[in-house]
Amino acid sequence: DSGVTQTPKHLITATGQRVTLRCSPRSGDLSVYWYQQSLDQGLQFLIQYYNGEERAKGNILERFSAQQFPDLHSELNLSSLELGDSALYFCASSVGPGSSDIQYFGAGTRLSVL
Amino acid sequence: AQRVTQPEKLLSVFKGAPVELKCNYSYSGSPELFWYVQYSRQRLQLLLRHISRESIKGFTADLNKGETSFHLKKPFAQEEDSAMYYCALRGQAGTALIFGKGTTLSVSS
Repeated sequence: DSGVTQTPKHLITATGQRVTLRCSPRSGDLSVYWYQQSLDQGLQFLIQYYNGEERAKGNILERFSAQQFPDLHSELNLSSLELGDSALYFCASSVGPGSSDIQYFGAGTRLSVL
Repeated sequence: AQRVTQPEKLLSVFKGAPVELKCNYSYSGSPELFWYVQYSRQRLQLLLRHISRESIKGFTADLNKGETSFHLKKPFAQEEDSAMYYCALRGQAGTALIFGKGTTLSVSS
């Protein structure tokens, strides 16, 4: 599958813990975006990386951080987890920096904080 | 503030009936509008982009700047159209997509 790949598919953890979500973009795509989908807030943009550099920031909490590695995969780190962090986390990728590109989405990681 | 509103959480229609999924936006400049669709157990995928002005799977959407709307329409719904539909906006210099909360379309026979 040459599409956007996210691992793991499901993650169950406890409050106060730290987790790492991983995203591999489509082949050739340089941008990676992270979105959070929760029942009350819908799909919200968290952060974007383009070719290893942070490009845009949305409503990302200070407890959350991300990075994009030289091979262009990205990781979203969530720490000091709270019940309210339970959500679907989507990664998307695009060819360029984004202002005119189509974003292609991964299947998501479902995080459950107990 | 930039905002996308999809007023209907659920839209239920019979097969063969016309469908209109509403989307209104709030943006002061010239946004780019999209419709994304998520079929059961599948990932979010792009359905339409307003600048393409094309019809995909029989769906069309016209950007109405006066009414700040980008409603999705199909003249004759099919059962396979049942899915979650998201309207999204991207600002002129922006990169992030701003999504509405989505409308579930249920088409029954």
